[in-house]
Amino acid sequence: EVQLVESGGDLVQPGGSLRLSCIASGFTFSHFWMGWIRQAPRKGLEWVATMNPDGSNKYYVDSVKGRFSFSRDDAKRSLYLQMNSLRADDTAVYYCGRGNQGAYDIWGQGTMVTVSS
Amino acid sequence: DIVMTQSPLSLSVTPGEPASISCRSSRSLLHSDGFNFLSWYLQKPGQSPQLLIYLGSNRASGVPDRFSGSASGTDFTLKISRVEAEDVGVYFCMQGLQVPVTFGQGTRLETK
Repeated sequence: EVQLVESGGDLVQPGGSLRLSCIASGFTFSHFWMGWIRQAPRKGLEWVATMNPDGSNKYYVDSVKGRFSFSRDDAKRSLYLQMNSLRADDTAVYYCGRGNQGAYDIWGQGTMVTVSS
Repeated sequence: DIVMTQSPLSLSVTPGEPASISCRSSRSLLHSDGFNFLSWYLQKPGQSPQLLIYLGSNRASGVPDRFSGSASGTDFTLKISRVEAEDVGVYFCMQGLQVPVTFGQGTRLETK
């Protein structure tokens, strides 16, 4: 079964750090662009970051540049989102997604990040 | 950034009746390969978004044929030929042509 499973979400204080993980199964992970998308409570979808198959190109939404870092480990079929200097407006459900023909065709179930004191 | 504007923001439809959602992009989404990099998603209550349509008009695997997508310039339309109860949720359009990838605000569909 083609699947993405996120983990690592938690309650963290403003200024803190968190590392999200996403494990892929059921497809050749190393062939695909991958991304992170988030959804603040009762809000719409916001793209966060994307990376090409070999990891040589990474792109971020302006609001997280310099604070978030996206990486992948093909041997472990895993994605990571290192989030530093977290702010209240980073509070959201974070989804990982598989990029395919300009769309995200597979989504994980999401992991909740809450930034609050 | 490419701005995606959806309308309407909410929709109430009698089961068995058609529904239509519009999405307008602030610039062309036409890729050099001739395809529009526009996709549609449905987020059912309590679930992750699921892909319905990619490249403007291609149904994703497993998506019922009552869903269809079309394009005219920078105007895109998602049509449901006959709404069913399981179609309730929030529909989003997304442009994947350039970063930052951007989404429409979402259209909430409910059944009467």
